[in-house]
Order: sequence, then C-alpha cells, then structure tokens
Amino acid sequence: RKEVEQDPGPFNVPEGATVAFNCTYSNSASQSFFWYRQDCRKEPKLLMSVYSSGNEDGRFTAQLNRASQYISLLIRDSKLSDSATYLCVVEGTGGGNKLTFGTGTQLKVEL
Amino acid sequence: DAGITQSPRHKVTETGTPVTLRCHQTENHRYMYWYRQDPGHGLRLIHYSYGVKDTDKGEVSDGYSVSRSKTEDFLLTLESATSSQTSVYFCAISENSYEQYFGPGTRLTVT
Repeated sequence: RKEVEQDPGPFNVPEGATVAFNCTYSNSASQSFFWYRQDCRKEPKLLMSVYSSGNEDGRFTAQLNRASQYISLLIRDSKLSDSATYLCVVEGTGGGNKLTFGTGTQLKVEL
Repeated sequence: DAGITQSPRHKVTETGTPVTLRCHQTENHRYMYWYRQDPGHGLRLIHYSYGVKDTDKGEVSDGYSVSRSKTEDFLLTLESATSSQTSVYFCAISENSYEQYFGPGTRLTVT
C-alpha cells in the first residue's frame, strides 16, 4: 500500500462547479497534513494545512478523518485559475520534519 | 514567496559526468531538502539537512551526495550521472514546522 494515495484524475469540471478530492494515508502516527497546489512545470506551493476540526480558506475547505486515515479538499465555485494538480501531503516518518507526498490529482476547470 | 533559488534551472549532461545542483535560501531556515519528481512517482526525498554539516538520506539517495557548509546553501551532487537520473529536482526549506517551501526546480536531462 502506498503511504499516501490519491485518485490521479483528471477531474474535468465546468466553471462554477464544486469539486472534491480525497486522499488516504497509511501512517496512523502522522499529525500534520497539507494540501499543496502544483501548476504545470512549476514548483509545489502550500495551499493549506489540514486540521482535525476541519478548516476553510475562502472557497477551499479541508477535512481530516483520523479514524479512517482520510483527508479531503473541497473547492467551491471553481475558477479557470484553479486548474492545477493538487498534492496530498502527510507528515513523514523518521524525524527531520519530513513529508510524504501523494502523486497528485489533476483538476481542469473548463468554460 | 520564500527566498529560494536553484541553479542551474536547466541542464543537459552526458552519462558518466559529475553534476552539481545548488539551492540557495535567504530565509535562514534550519531544514533543507532535495527531491526529485518523476511521472507516476510524485515527489521523492533524496537527501535532507537539519543544520550546517548535518545531513541524512531520504528514500532515493543512491547515486547522490549532498553538502551543506553554510546555512543558506545546500548542494546536490550526482557523482556519475545516469539516464535514470533525468528528472526535475526541487529544493525545499522549512523551519520549525512541517510546512515546506519549494524552489523553482531544475530540469536535468542525462543523455
């Protein structure tokens, strides 16, 4: 089993749609979780941290379910500029503030 | 954006030649990381540093070495480049949390 698993997509959605991405992780000891966004041929950029109580940043909502080892990202009112690959990221093992990255879910928002 | 630069941004080299990639930060962050990103694999950690002259291996360290003689610089060396090391290489930094910030990447092609 991969440490972090994501549906690779692509998710093709019309502008204005709501879209949700899911991610599962295998290390039950992980305490820190993130979503990163990566545009084509660019570096990953931190989108948001994921907290146990769930958190929202504008049109973006992240949820964590520790019992199921499952993380989600909801994007409301999708914009063309949301088109990117979204990486699910989980605290790694062995110290060093390491992270384990999923392979990403590709989102394409269309007119 | 975090002050992270990588050089060179693009490089084409021949099999068997040594290659050194440089990561430079202006944030005075303690941790620095080198990743490679390949289709289907996501980001994989090569080596990381937790201080000057303090480094450790990641999950794909074979064929790579690193050095950190100053807080701001983290060098990745391919002692004898192979075609399997053709990839996009990203440097990242972090301070006391698990949040990592990435440089713009280096596209390396080994022919």
